[in-house]
Amino acid sequence: GAVVSQHPSWVICKSGTSVKIECRSLDFQATTMFWYRQFPKQSLMLMATSNEGSKATYEQGVEKDKFLINHASLTLSTLTVTSAHPEDSSFYICSATSGPVGTEAFFGQGTRLTVV
Amino acid sequence: DAKTTQPPSMDCAEGRAANLPCNHSTISGNEYVYWYRQIHSQGPQYIIHGLKNNETNEMASLIITEDRKSSTLILPHATLRDTAVYYCIVTTSGTYKYIFGTGTRLKVLA
Repeated sequence: GAVVSQHPSWVICKSGTSVKIECRSLDFQATTMFWYRQFPKQSLMLMATSNEGSKATYEQGVEKDKFLINHASLTLSTLTVTSAHPEDSSFYICSATSGPVGTEAFFGQGTRLTVV
Repeated sequence: DAKTTQPPSMDCAEGRAANLPCNHSTISGNEYVYWYRQIHSQGPQYIIHGLKNNETNEMASLIITEDRKSSTLILPHATLRDTAVYYCIVTTSGTYKYIFGTGTRLKVLA
């Protein structure tokens, strides 16, 4: 299947700082990318949907000023966790699809964020 | 909310077929059924998807009932490496959005 790569795989940051996570589609152009977070022993929770060149659409309850999403090209989306706090510690996962509806999405390997 | 219901856990003997059921009784006519699996601390891996017809690929088979209200993922010869959480997902109509349910934790036993 197609390859989606996330970087970094894990990151530790100090409380109050910001951290950026990259999501790249390596062998296809991703018209739409998604960001999820997953807490231990829980399922994935969709945070936002981003289309190339457009503002991201956030799910209810997700703070858009805290989780900044940029989808500047067809192969790259970034998630920036601003002013991180320990409760933001989680597993963040992106997925990407080339569309159209009915086309499968491919997931990155995830980024484990620990805020200390 | 997720549009699917799956049993929380299943066991399967190594080498036997694993049949994972999924209920999606509110599915609409143009909504697809996708199956993914997640091995601990990794991103979900795509397995298979379908709309109306049964589908087969190198990993699995997907059987969708005629009324489309349920489906079954079949792993024909389960191995220990198939131990994972399996998610059945129905996308929101007209979008690519995946809303994950709780999935089925499949344990393949030696």
